[in-house]
Amino acid sequence: KAGVTQTPRYLIKTRGQQVTLSCSPISGHRSVSWYQQTPGQGLQFLFEYFSETQRNKGNFPGRFSGRQFSNSRSEMNVSTLELGDSALYLCASSFGGTGLSPLHFGNGTRLTVT
Amino acid sequence: DQQVKQNSPSLSVQEGRISILNCDYTNSMFDYFLWYKKYPAEGPTFLISISSIKDKNEDGRFTVFLNKSAKHLSLHIVPSQPGDSAVYFCAAAPAGTYKYIFGTGTRLKVLA
Repeated sequence: KAGVTQTPRYLIKTRGQQVTLSCSPISGHRSVSWYQQTPGQGLQFLFEYFSETQRNKGNFPGRFSGRQFSNSRSEMNVSTLELGDSALYLCASSFGGTGLSPLHFGNGTRLTVT
Repeated sequence: DQQVKQNSPSLSVQEGRISILNCDYTNSMFDYFLWYKKYPAEGPTFLISISSIKDKNEDGRFTVFLNKSAKHLSLHIVPSQPGDSAVYFCAAAPAGTYKYIFGTGTRLKVLA
């Protein structure tokens, strides 16, 4: 069974630009969550999507947005990039049903903002 | 406000001995707890979970203990192996949500 796939693995952008990251979940998983990992901050929750709807949201500014498609694939967009947005962005999928199930992570997209 | 805390940034253990990683939480609504292992340049790998209706869960060399009254959970690895050297994260979510909150991680080094 294929794992969670994130593309691209590495990205370099300039301050003020925007970026779109992509995530393909494990087959059968309907929930996709996004996390930002920076040194010393651990994994910070961005948002979670289920059945094309944002179900949970973290405490990030509106520059961070996402969406989920009918095949459960998800994209995350960051607009007006700032230097502080440089981080590893991790996507995780899970079954997403009423009973909680573990998250399964991809290998992340390393974003560098210059 | 850090709702999930891992107060030990690092831990060193001799091969074959027990590794104990600790995690404290503040939100009494947390209902489901996870442990992950992370190697550099890879995403976190799920290790073991526990729900609030249990106080212990075992899977091979890994055991998680939950003390709800103390809002504390721990991961025991017995025996520790050099390949266990990684960063370990605990995570928790309230009942009925998938808003998992992660701790900042503990770097485990198992010495051969």
